[in-house]
Amino acid sequence: AQSVTQLDSQVPVFEEAPVELRCNYSSSVSVYLFWYVQYPNQGLQLLLKYLSGSTLVKGINGFEAEFNKSQTSFHLRKPSVHISDTAEYFCAVSETPGGGNKLTFGTGTQLKVEL
Amino acid sequence: DSGVTQTPKHLITATGQRVTLRCSPRSGDLSVYWYQQSLDQGLQFLIQYYNGEERAKGNILERFSAQQFPDLHSELNLSSLELGDSALYFCASSQTGVEGETQYFGPGTRLLVL
Repeated sequence: AQSVTQLDSQVPVFEEAPVELRCNYSSSVSVYLFWYVQYPNQGLQLLLKYLSGSTLVKGINGFEAEFNKSQTSFHLRKPSVHISDTAEYFCAVSETPGGGNKLTFGTGTQLKVEL
Repeated sequence: DSGVTQTPKHLITATGQRVTLRCSPRSGDLSVYWYQQSLDQGLQFLIQYYNGEERAKGNILERFSAQQFPDLHSELNLSSLELGDSALYFCASSQTGVEGETQYFGPGTRLLVL
């Protein structure tokens, strides 16, 4: 069975600084990879996903992530954060083939952007 | 706004009771998913439906059941409620439910069991 590890439960960062949120996964088969963001009192919104092809994936709001198969990682980055990026970020995987579209989530990383 | 609606937004009930959570998927989406978000278990997949049929099952308790109706809305029924069932329950939808397809999440129903 697949699993997802987000080692950092909280990441404080100053506005306009770069940020990296780490995600590692474990699976015995191929996976699709996702990053979702959850703003307070809202549902989850897809930031970006990796299915195949280029390992550098660009998403919404200036975020990007790089798939590294050898390190089984899919870290999320943004070169310059804004106050509005304060939210919880979830990395998720689904196995392919045969995993359906079931998502397995990490425990989340709370990004707190400070002035 | 994802286009997925969930009712009610909040629900407070007592142990041993039964509740029904409702979800309307985005227009045109045939597949519906239910997830539970709790402090101790995190975000967990419960069950997936596609066009009225169960497609995949996750860590869903026997006390919980779900169905998807012909108009594609879905209901999650939680019975014999326990304190530990207090959580945020999300519904998501996608067009066909195939692997890798983006899931669009509703705002959730927050359940508090007292």
